[in-house]
Amino acid sequence: GQQLNQSPQSMFIQEGEDVSMNCTSSSIFNTWLWYKQDPGEGPVLLIALYKAGELTSNGRLTAQFGITRKDSFLNISASIPSDVGIYFCAGHSGNTPLVFGKGTRLSVIA
Amino acid sequence: DTEVTQTPKHLVMGMTNKKSLKCEQHMGHRAMYWYKQKAKKPPELMFVYSYEKLSINESVPSRFSPECPNSSLLNLHLHALQPEDSALYLCASSQVPHESDEQYFGPGTRLTVT
Repeated sequence: GQQLNQSPQSMFIQEGEDVSMNCTSSSIFNTWLWYKQDPGEGPVLLIALYKAGELTSNGRLTAQFGITRKDSFLNISASIPSDVGIYFCAGHSGNTPLVFGKGTRLSVIA
Repeated sequence: DTEVTQTPKHLVMGMTNKKSLKCEQHMGHRAMYWYKQKAKKPPELMFVYSYEKLSINESVPSRFSPECPNSSLLNLHLHALQPEDSALYLCASSQVPHESDEQYFGPGTRLTVT
């Protein structure tokens, strides 16, 4: 089946630093979604992307839909302690269920 | 309002018990999903309901039985589970099934099978 390669697997950063993570696929995707999950909670949708080249912001978060439609990245600027969690990318390709990346675990050191 | 609610928050059950997980959304979404999530793994799709009809069963064992009583409610009936079924069970909904649409997740039910 389709797979998403998400990297890095984990990150340890200082508070105030910027963060970047990405997802790549061997096939074309029509939609990219970015979720954040806190321990013991469900994933929360952060950003949805629908067009190749689209750049969308949500506060300190910015995500882009790659122009090849095979990748997406998420940037977090000026990280704060509450940014800690697991970030998942997910995508749709045609009329198929959502495919998830394996997640990026973010730790912020105050 | 993008809220999906799930009850109970936590559930401990023995291998001979029968229990049910419940999910509710009032966003008018016509697709609802059950996912299973193990620690440090992404959510794994179990079932999809599209317009209240089961459209996808990802080869889930019959000890898990989904039910969609109406467009707002989704249940997951559990019977004769195994310890390896212990996981976070997530419900999600979206406006339309499968297509390029956003899925909204509930907080999950943490299930422990003893």
